[in-house]
Amino acid sequence: GAVVSQHPSRVICKSGTSVKIECRSLDFQATTMFWYRQFPKQSLMLMATSNEGSKATYEQGVEKDKFLINHASLTLSTLTVTSAHPEDSSFYICSPTRTANTEAFFGQGTRLTVV
Amino acid sequence: AQTVTQSQPEMSVQEAETVTLSCTYDTSESNYYLFWYKQPPSRQMILVIRQEAYKQQNATENRFSVNFQKAAKSFSLKISDSQLGDTAMYFCAFMNYGGSQGNLIFGKGTKLSVKP
Repeated sequence: GAVVSQHPSRVICKSGTSVKIECRSLDFQATTMFWYRQFPKQSLMLMATSNEGSKATYEQGVEKDKFLINHASLTLSTLTVTSAHPEDSSFYICSPTRTANTEAFFGQGTRLTVV
Repeated sequence: AQTVTQSQPEMSVQEAETVTLSCTYDTSESNYYLFWYKQPPSRQMILVIRQEAYKQQNATENRFSVNFQKAAKSFSLKISDSQLGDTAMYFCAFMNYGGSQGNLIFGKGTKLSVKP
């Protein structure tokens, strides 16, 4: 199976500060990383897609300067929420995939609360 | 663009009984994957079952089975002998066939409650 580790699981930060979320694929090489966001009682929505060594592609309505994605290696990707505001409070889930994937793997998710 | 529709926001079932969750989707692709994911209160996404569109046979995993109707673009999930641990949000999801471009498109989810 595929083991994915996402940290932290919960974080509370003050408005205006930045938060970094890490996602690691522990037993496979992730050529692509998907980042999803889930607001309370809603579904998962794709935020951005990144390929190792390349700039991320953001979905419409997602600010690339606010949500910085780094995918510098095949086993690690990070999402940094910059200048966080209360409306950024949400559940963030990473999903690393490998070439010719036939299913998705997910991290445990990060519950971000901005106060 | 692909869309996934789950028309049942909430469902409930008695323990040991059978329940069916509905899902329809829209796509112009001929090759794709369909999934049902379970999200318990921990919010960890757990794969329940997967169906390849090119396979006519319906997928089954123990108490979970699907009714895949490709022409109708319908993909329902049947849970037999429901257990209390089945209580969770269930998401139907679509993924294009084609390697690393395969992000998932999710439905809005169905909250299933299994009652003792």
